[in-house]
Amino acid sequence: GQQLNQSPQSMFIQEGEDVSMNCTSSSIFNTWLWYKQDPGEGPVLLIALYKAGELTSNGRLTAQFGITRKDSFLNISASIPSDVGIYFCAGQALYNQGGKLIFGQGTELSVKP
Amino acid sequence: EAGVAQSPRYKIIEKRQSVAFWCNPISGHATLYWYQQILGQGPKLLIQFQNNGVVDDSQLPKDRFSAERLKGVDSTLKIQPAKLEDSAVYLCASSGDGYEQYFGPGTRLTVT
Repeated sequence: GQQLNQSPQSMFIQEGEDVSMNCTSSSIFNTWLWYKQDPGEGPVLLIALYKAGELTSNGRLTAQFGITRKDSFLNISASIPSDVGIYFCAGQALYNQGGKLIFGQGTELSVKP
Repeated sequence: EAGVAQSPRYKIIEKRQSVAFWCNPISGHATLYWYQQILGQGPKLLIQFQNNGVVDDSQLPKDRFSAERLKGVDSTLKIQPAKLEDSAVYLCASSGDGYEQYFGPGTRLTVT
């Protein structure tokens, strides 16, 4: 079945540093979504991408839809302690028009004040 | 605008018992999803409803899991009988016209 490989699995950074994480797929996606999940809560939508090459920002967060349609990137600039959490990428495949999302394994971010 | 509501937030049961989870989606969202999230993994889709019809239940273990959305709004997910490996967080999500899905807080199930 479809798989999303998300990396890195975890990151330990200093407050103020920039962060990059990415997802790659074995098949083409036509939608990429990035979510953040805090402990004990459901995932919260951060950014949605719909076109290859699209670059979208949400405050200090910037995400890109890869040109090949098989990858996506999320960058966080000037990290702060509240950025701590697990970040998930999710993709919707070109052939599946029902909206089914495939999720990556998550990147756990720790920020040291 | 109210978000997706789920209850209960936590549930502890013994194996072979039954359990039910409830979800109320965002008002006006026609599509409702149930996901299972095992610790350390991303959510995995169990079932998707469009109004009160099932769109995708290919990954639902139908011998023990069932779900319904009778009036096209609220939904319930049931497990009977529960197994140890069903311990997970059960997430409900809803979407409107687009592909953006909005999640509830989840129900953490522990099967002992």
